[in-house]
Amino acid sequence: QVQLQESGPGLVKPSETLSLTCTVSDDSIKNYYWSWIRQPPGKGLEWIGYIYYGGSTTYNPSLNSRVAMSIDTSKNQLSLKLSSVTAADTAVYYCARRLEYYTSSGYYYYLDVWGKGTTVTVSS
Amino acid sequence: AIQMTQSPSSLSASVGDRVTITCRASQGISRALAWYQLKPGIAPKLLIYAASNLQSGVPSRFSGSGSGTDFTLTISSLQPEDFATYYCQEDYNSPPTFGGGTKVEIK
Repeated sequence: QVQLQESGPGLVKPSETLSLTCTVSDDSIKNYYWSWIRQPPGKGLEWIGYIYYGGSTTYNPSLNSRVAMSIDTSKNQLSLKLSSVTAADTAVYYCARRLEYYTSSGYYYYLDVWGKGTTVTVSS
Repeated sequence: AIQMTQSPSSLSASVGDRVTITCRASQGISRALAWYQLKPGIAPKLLIYAASNLQSGVPSRFSGSGSGTDFTLTISSLQPEDFATYYCQEDYNSPPTFGGGTKVEIK
């Protein structure tokens, strides 16, 4: 079973850029979509975006201008950068693998494997 | 973006109880719905995909149903390890959205 591990600074100053890495335990980084999701303290889950191993990306419009995702297949790593952070960006950040399921009525997508998450606090 | 309304936001139940959580989409999403279980400090766990498909390795006491706008997650006999927070998520349109979560607590 593939495993995901998020890593990065636990504390980021306001207006700076948050940078996180997700390490995938095997070569399954190829041929899949990979997502980032976050959960602010006491709140629900928010989808940040996803990236295909080939490099194409789709971001949540609410974060679109501040988000950048990339993938390094040679290192089996994904990265997330979120610029101009504020206290509202304080959250647990997760990476997850997005799979597709084909049926006669179409494709369905879901997140089958998640990392444990990493907590990021934005504070001076 | 599609709005997912999940209810209840919390519930108290005893071991052995049957528990039902509902999720309503603001527009039809076919069967593009998944359910996840979250516990502090542990990787979130996929329970159900495409509304009613049980993820491999998930106990059969978990089941999902629904299509269109109304969906249900049922735990047929609550076990101690099931006390957690549950989220529905649609992936019909972009951006995918989550319900607000249901915290299942010990009664």
